[in-house]
Amino acid sequence: NAGVTQTPKFQVLKTGQSMTLQCAQDMNHEYMSWYRQDPGMGLRLIHYSVGAGITDQGEVPNGYNVSRSTTEDFPLRLLSAAPSQTSVYFCASSYSSKDTEAFFGQGTRLTVV
Amino acid sequence: GQQVMQIPQYQHVQEGEDFTTYCNSSTTLSNIQWYKQRPGGHPVFLIQLVKSGEVKKQKRLTFQFGEAKKNSSLHITATQTTDVGTYFCAPHGGGNQFYFGTGTSLTVIP
Repeated sequence: NAGVTQTPKFQVLKTGQSMTLQCAQDMNHEYMSWYRQDPGMGLRLIHYSVGAGITDQGEVPNGYNVSRSTTEDFPLRLLSAAPSQTSVYFCASSYSSKDTEAFFGQGTRLTVV
Repeated sequence: GQQVMQIPQYQHVQEGEDFTTYCNSSTTLSNIQWYKQRPGGHPVFLIQLVKSGEVKKQKRLTFQFGEAKKNSSLHITATQTTDVGTYFCAPHGGGNQFYFGTGTSLTVIP
């Protein structure tokens, strides 16, 4: 099994550019989420989804959009990148949000200049 | 998000010393999970605690869930260089948001 696949692994953007971080899982998990990781800040929840067609905001949703058209895919869109969005982004999936382990992708290191 | 404090933020230990990290919540939890992230890697699930006062062991790692289900600890006995990384708690209070603590970064000095 591939598990959770994130692409790209590295990305450099100019301020104002847009891009989509891809996340796909092949475990038929209902719950998927996006986090950003900054030094000393831990993992902060950006957006999450409890199933296809359902998304909701986490702790730090501003500047990011998501959609969940299929169970497998949960892309994260940056509409107009800002230097404050420089971070490492992780996608995760789990069978449910409450009591099952989360599986993480390898992460995307994003730099906005 | 949930009010979760994880302490300490950083810990340096000599190889062979013990290490403990604590996760404290302001609210009663339904369960708590622990994850480890190696440098440059992604978080990996270690364990889940569900019952009040629960204690679980994995080799040199001991996990505890407080009696009031508001705090938890991870203790490593006789650290090794392979224990290096950041340890995160993930407390669950019943909502759909999957939050993590701020993490404790462990450095083991050979």
